[in-house]
Amino acid sequence: DVVLTQTPVSLSVTLGDQASISCRSSQSLEYSDGYTYLEWYLQKPGQSPQLLIYEVSNRFSGVPDRFIGSGSGTDFTLKISRVEPEDLGVYYCFQATHDPYTFGAGTKLELK
Amino acid sequence: EIQLQESGPGLVKPSQSLSLTCSVTGYTITSGYDWSWIRKFPGNKMEWMGYISYSGSTNYNPSLKSRISITRDTSKNQFFLQLNSVTTEDTATYYCASITDYYVMDAWGQGASVTVSS
Repeated sequence: DVVLTQTPVSLSVTLGDQASISCRSSQSLEYSDGYTYLEWYLQKPGQSPQLLIYEVSNRFSGVPDRFIGSGSGTDFTLKISRVEPEDLGVYYCFQATHDPYTFGAGTKLELK
Repeated sequence: EIQLQESGPGLVKPSQSLSLTCSVTGYTITSGYDWSWIRKFPGNKMEWMGYISYSGSTNYNPSLKSRISITRDTSKNQFFLQLNSVTTEDTATYYCASITDYYVMDAWGQGASVTVSS
């Protein structure tokens, strides 16, 4: 199975700061069709996970432009500029390139 | 807008089967997409369990392959999860989700908490 290693495990920020989360894959996530099926989800407290980013860098409908996904191959990053209160929760990277699909272990974003 | 809702027992005894239903509104499950089950264990670990496609084919996580079955009732626009021979390690919140274009899970149910305990 593809292992997604997310760092850090937790991240304490001040509102308005930038936050950065890394996701490294044990295999390249580029599929034979040329696309890279690496996604980011956020689970806010008491809610279901919600899609933020798909195909590495595409923001899902309604996701603010302060969320920026980047990377290629095996190394990916989610940056959140100007963290706001509604951004707090657990972030997961997820890959749908290889079967079985797998999640990273999660990064908890919390306030200092 | 696709909406999903899980239902089923919140408590299951060890060695028995866990059965959950996902009711879908806003889209017909035979029209397209894959219909998936995901679980979140106590702590933060998430596991993709498998899906049933709009055509009825299934794809399971090999870690569960001998115990899992995902089926559907097209007349009710529902799909189901059955997990056999459960242990306490299957205690988790179970989510159903639609896997739509670009292989994304853009709609999720609210989650069903299941505890395995005698």
